[in-house]
Amino acid sequence: QKEVEQDPGPLSVPEGAIVSLNCTYSNSAFQYFMWYRQYSRKGPELLMYTYSSGNKEDGRFTAQVDKSSKYISLFIRDSQPSDSATYLCAMSYNQGGKLIFGQGTELSVKP
Amino acid sequence: GAVVSQHPSRVICKSGTSVKIECRSLDFQATTMFWYRQFPKKSLMLMATSNEGSKATYEQGVEKDKFLINHASLTLSTLTVTSAHPEDSSFYICSARSGPQGSTGELFFGEGSRLTVL
Repeated sequence: QKEVEQDPGPLSVPEGAIVSLNCTYSNSAFQYFMWYRQYSRKGPELLMYTYSSGNKEDGRFTAQVDKSSKYISLFIRDSQPSDSATYLCAMSYNQGGKLIFGQGTELSVKP
Repeated sequence: GAVVSQHPSRVICKSGTSVKIECRSLDFQATTMFWYRQFPKKSLMLMATSNEGSKATYEQGVEKDKFLINHASLTLSTLTVTSAHPEDSSFYICSARSGPQGSTGELFFGEGSRLTVL
C-alpha cells in the first residue's frame, strides 16, 4: 500500500464549478499537510500548508485535514481555466522534514 | 518569493553519455537542496538530499554512482546522470529550503529539467 494515495484523474469541470481534490494516507504520524499546484512542464508551487487537523482558507482555496480518517481535501471555489494544472498533495512527519507526495490529480477547467 | 533556477530545462543526449543539471537558489542561501524524479502522471520521488559541504544522502534504491550530486556552495547543487540510458529519461526537479540545515522554511521548487536519452 502506498503511503499517500491520490486519484490521478483526469478531472474535467466547467468554469465556475466547485472542485474537490482528495488524498488518503496510511501513516497516522504525518503532521504537516500541503497542496502543490504544478503546471505542465513546470516545477510545483506551494498552494496551501496546514498542520494537524482542521481547515484553512485562502481566497478561493480551502484545505481540510481529517486526521481521524487520514483524509485531506482541497476545495477550489469558482474554478477558472487558469486553475487547470496537476494538484499534488504532500505530507511530512515533522516541520521541514522529507515530503511524501501523492500521485497528483490532473484538473482541467473548461471555459 | 524566493526563486530556484534549474538549467537546462530540456536536454537530449545519446545513451552512454553523462548529463549535468544545475540547481541554483537565486535570492537566498540554501544549505539543503533536494532532488526529485517525476515520471509522466506519477508522483515526485525524492532521490537524494544534498547538504552544502557534505555528501548527499540518497534514498533507498537510488544508485549514488549513477546519480552524482555535488553541493559545493550555498546557492548551487548539481546532479550528474552518468552513463545515461533510455530508462533514465525523466523529469528531474530540484527544491531548496531557505535557512540553515534542519530549517523549517518553505520549500521552493525549480522549474524542472526534462532529460531524454536516445
